[in-house]
Amino acid sequence: KAGVTQTPRYLIKTRGQQVTLSCSPISGHRSVSWYQQTPGQGLQFLFEYFSETQRNKGNFPGRFSGRQFSNSRSEMNVSTLELGDSALYLCASSLPGSVGDTQYFGPGTRLTVL
Amino acid sequence: QKEVEQDPGPLSVPEGAIVSLNCTYSNSAFQYFMWYRQYSRKGPELLMYTYSSGNKEDGRFTAQVDKSSKYISLFIRDSQPSDSATYLCAMTPPGNQFYFGTGTSLTVIP
Repeated sequence: KAGVTQTPRYLIKTRGQQVTLSCSPISGHRSVSWYQQTPGQGLQFLFEYFSETQRNKGNFPGRFSGRQFSNSRSEMNVSTLELGDSALYLCASSLPGSVGDTQYFGPGTRLTVL
Repeated sequence: QKEVEQDPGPLSVPEGAIVSLNCTYSNSAFQYFMWYRQYSRKGPELLMYTYSSGNKEDGRFTAQVDKSSKYISLFIRDSQPSDSATYLCAMTPPGNQFYFGTGTSLTVIP
């Protein structure tokens, strides 16, 4: 089975711009979660989507938004980029109802904001 | 106070040593506990998961959960240079979001 894929892998933007990241989950997985990873803060939960609905949300400003499509693919958007948004953005898919709803991660998109 | 606390290290051990990695948590609702390994410039990879208290062994890896102390551990026996990575603990109540530790950086020296 193919793993979680994320595109693009690397992205460089400037302050004030917006960016859209894409995630394709493992086939059959209907839940997609997004995380921001930085050296100081570790993995911080952004939001989770299940069946095209946002099910959980972390403590991030409204500049961070997401959506999920009927094929379970998900996109994350960050508007009005700030320097502090530079991070590795990871998405993880899971099969709700499986033991612990175990999450499987993609390789991440490394975003650099200049 | 963070939901999950993990010593960031770095931890450096000689090849063949036994490694102990630990996390503490504050939320008694956590029931599923996981360990992920993350190599540089890669996404986290699931190593082991356990449900509730107890031990689970998989090859050179043993995961241990003590819910009474709110403490989980990962032991690596006969550590290898290929084990050099960052290890993240994660935990969740059923059907809810995951909470991760900040990760412990491990280097195994040949």
